[in-house]
Amino acid sequence: SQTIHQWPATLVQPVGSPLSLECTVEGTSNPNLYWYRQAAGRGLQLLFYSVGIGQISSEVPQNLSASRPQDRQFILSSKKLLLSDSGFYLCACNAGQVQEKLFFGSGTQLSVL
Amino acid sequence: EDQVTQSPEALRLQEGESSSLNCSYTVSGLRGLFWYRQDPGKGPEFLFTLYSAGEEKEKERLKATLTKKESFLHITAPKPEDSATYLCAVSGGSNYKLTFGKGTLLTVNP
Repeated sequence: SQTIHQWPATLVQPVGSPLSLECTVEGTSNPNLYWYRQAAGRGLQLLFYSVGIGQISSEVPQNLSASRPQDRQFILSSKKLLLSDSGFYLCACNAGQVQEKLFFGSGTQLSVL
Repeated sequence: EDQVTQSPEALRLQEGESSSLNCSYTVSGLRGLFWYRQDPGKGPEFLFTLYSAGEEKEKERLKATLTKKESFLHITAPKPEDSATYLCAVSGGSNYKLTFGKGTLLTVNP
């Protein structure tokens, strides 16, 4: 089964600083990859998803971006963080069909101060 | 737009006190309904997938059921280790995303 490596586990960044969160997947090839954000009281919000290398779909307009330089690598970035970017960021993958279950990473707790 | 509503937002039970969590959904062409368990500070852990009305799945003290409008997660004789947030999600239409509810925070007291 798939294993998702996500780091760091915790991150504290000042407003206006850049961000790079990395996610790598083991145990599957050509997965669909996802970035979710979980904020208190809002549930899981899909930010980006990718069905292949270089293919990124954005769900929410914001100052975040995503890239998929390799088949099993997914990166979430920002040039300048906002206070509202604070939250719990989760990387997830599934095997290729939308009805396939998602596997999640362990998450990154981002605090922007 | 797909929508998922979970109730109650929080539920406190005594050990051994059975109950149910609800997930109501609206989706264009349900492909699957998913239940996850999430512990504090961790990513969600997959529990069940249900595909069609009438389907049921069981795992230890948990049983998930599905109708055309909602799903229930029944917890029989819960233990303190069942304390967690339970998330419901649906997939539908032709896109690749799951739509999640806000979850139910379950606390089981010894």
